[in-house]
Amino acid sequence: DQQVKQNSPSLSVQEGRISILNCDYTNSMFDYFLWYKKYPAEGPTFLISISSIKDKNEDGRFTVFLNKSAKHLSLHIVPSQPGDSAVYFCAASFNRDDKIIFGKGTRLHILP
Amino acid sequence: GEEVAQTPKHLVRGEGQKAKLYCAPIKGHSYVFWYQQVLKNEFKFLISFQNENVFDETGMPKERFSAKCLPNSPCSLEIQATKLEDSAVYFCASSQGDTGGWQPQHFGDGTRLSIL
Repeated sequence: DQQVKQNSPSLSVQEGRISILNCDYTNSMFDYFLWYKKYPAEGPTFLISISSIKDKNEDGRFTVFLNKSAKHLSLHIVPSQPGDSAVYFCAASFNRDDKIIFGKGTRLHILP
Repeated sequence: GEEVAQTPKHLVRGEGQKAKLYCAPIKGHSYVFWYQQVLKNEFKFLISFQNENVFDETGMPKERFSAKCLPNSPCSLEIQATKLEDSAVYFCASSQGDTGGWQPQHFGDGTRLSIL
């Protein structure tokens, strides 16, 4: 049973516009939510995180929103840039030094 | 070092042979994690270590898979009697631990294991 779900396998966004990637989870015991970015033949790179006690975290062009009642989080990238084209993984963990549970990823294409 | 270093980048083995993968975590990081990526995008947790001690092994297959993190040596993941289904990219990650707050896991670039 998949605990972290990314229902959109791919997303295309015009350069300069906002990219919104969505993620749903099923387990209300998750304590931390994460987004990782992955290029081909490389390992995932940590982007941004949010604790379950917050509803928003911002870092430069990246903002993560958490809606605990809906068990939903989203990653906003604005403005989108060509280098943002990659696979984005939503992930969660139960506590600080715990394993990460990943979604299946969303491939983001930034169009010129 | 400042990066998680995984070797080799690509490993080819015949079915039934042994495979051994290595991971050097970031210096100063206390936790090491192994993940298996199959079917292109699905990550499966295998095992984690806190220093040289097993922290969580709930994802490790009961047979054929073993892992170690010994002092002053790279961590290793060993698969005995490999099967075709073991073909995957194996990622190692490390995190700082031992601090007050949450710290992200930093990933290496993986070892692609191909079983023929």
